[in-house]
Amino acid sequence: SQLAEENLWALSVHEGESVTVNCSYKTSITALQWYRQKSGEGPAQLILIRSNEREKRNGRLRATLDTSSQSSSLSITATRCEDTAVYFCAKGGGGANTGKLTFGHGTILRVHP
Amino acid sequence: EAAVTQSPRSKVAVTGGKVTLSCHQTNNHDYMYWYRQDTGHGLRLIHYSYVADSTEKGDIPDGYKASRPSQENFSLILELASLSQTAVYFCASSGGGVYAEQFFGPGTRLTVL
Repeated sequence: SQLAEENLWALSVHEGESVTVNCSYKTSITALQWYRQKSGEGPAQLILIRSNEREKRNGRLRATLDTSSQSSSLSITATRCEDTAVYFCAKGGGGANTGKLTFGHGTILRVHP
Repeated sequence: EAAVTQSPRSKVAVTGGKVTLSCHQTNNHDYMYWYRQDTGHGLRLIHYSYVADSTEKGDIPDGYKASRPSQENFSLILELASLSQTAVYFCASSGGGVYAEQFFGPGTRLTVL
């Protein structure tokens, strides 16, 4: 299958620090989505970045997209303990209207006090 | 109020038994999806549906059936549960389209003994 993949399995930072999660993909995309999954919950979308966009922001979150290198990053500034979660990138596929997504394996982020 | 709900939240089943997982959405979305999540993996798509009374195979459909009796309800059926189907199962809904966000339920933890 055509996977989006995060580059690291786990990251650990202290509160207040910044952190970046990276993702690479192998085929062309129309858009890339970032999701966050907190313990015991389902994933929730953070940012959608379209193929013609280079950067997208949402509060303390910033996503970038480089279609030439087929990579994306999600940066979180001023991290908080509640940012502790698994972060996924996801790409679409399987037809224009299905809304199907293929998720990467996820990066575990732990933010320590 | 939660827009995608799942029941049960957890279940223990015996090998060879039948298991039905239920999902209900109030988003008025056409598309619904069933994923499984295993430790070390992202979410993998089992089945999806874009209209009542119709279902489509996802990336890992073997051993699973799906049923969409109405726009709001989508069930995942394991006719003969096996040990390898122990996982957390998530249901999601979306409006479809290449930029569609998926809205997830809280998940069902299934343990097959």
